[in-house]
Amino acid sequence: KAGVTQTPRYLIKTRGQQVTLSCSPISGHRSVSWYQQTPGQGLQFLFEYFSETQRNKGNFPGRFSGRQFSNSRSEMNVSTLELGDSALYLCASSPDPNTGELFFGEGSRLTVL
Amino acid sequence: GEDVEQSLFLSVREGDSSVINCTYTDSSSTYLYWYKQEPGAGLQLLTYIFSNMDMKQDQRLTVLLNKKDKHLSLRIADTQTGDSAIYFCADRLAYGNKLVFGAGTILRVKS
Repeated sequence: KAGVTQTPRYLIKTRGQQVTLSCSPISGHRSVSWYQQTPGQGLQFLFEYFSETQRNKGNFPGRFSGRQFSNSRSEMNVSTLELGDSALYLCASSPDPNTGELFFGEGSRLTVL
Repeated sequence: GEDVEQSLFLSVREGDSSVINCTYTDSSSTYLYWYKQEPGAGLQLLTYIFSNMDMKQDQRLTVLLNKKDKHLSLRIADTQTGDSAIYFCADRLAYGNKLVFGAGTILRVKS
């Protein structure tokens, strides 16, 4: 069974630009979560989707948004990029929306110059 | 808000046991988790424990939970060099799959 696939793996943007990251969950998993990982703040929850509905949202500004499609694939978007948005963005899927049993992808590493 | 704290670094010799500790503040925790992250990789779920359990054993891994003190530990028996990684403790809030992670403990295994 294929794991969680995130694209792109690496990207470089400049301040003010916007970026879209993609996540394909494990087949059959309908819950998808996104986390931001930085050396300073560690792992922070961004949002969680289940059956195309956002169930939970973390404490991030409105520049961070996401969505989930009917095939459970998910995207997150960050607009008006800031230097502090440089991070590893991790997507995780789960077979169950209420156990916290997350299967993580390898992440998309975003560098903002 | 909810918080999870871990010690930052642990160094052990190959073959010894490793014990990684974690404390949390959430009184309504239902599940607590240990995840492992190797360089350049995402997180891998190692094990988890229900909040009404005191202990869970899974091969070389033993999880102890002291709910009164809000203390969780992960013991790795016969630690190998391949166990070198960052270990994250995480707490699931009462609803959904939102996890609060600790800062991670770097485990270094010396041969």
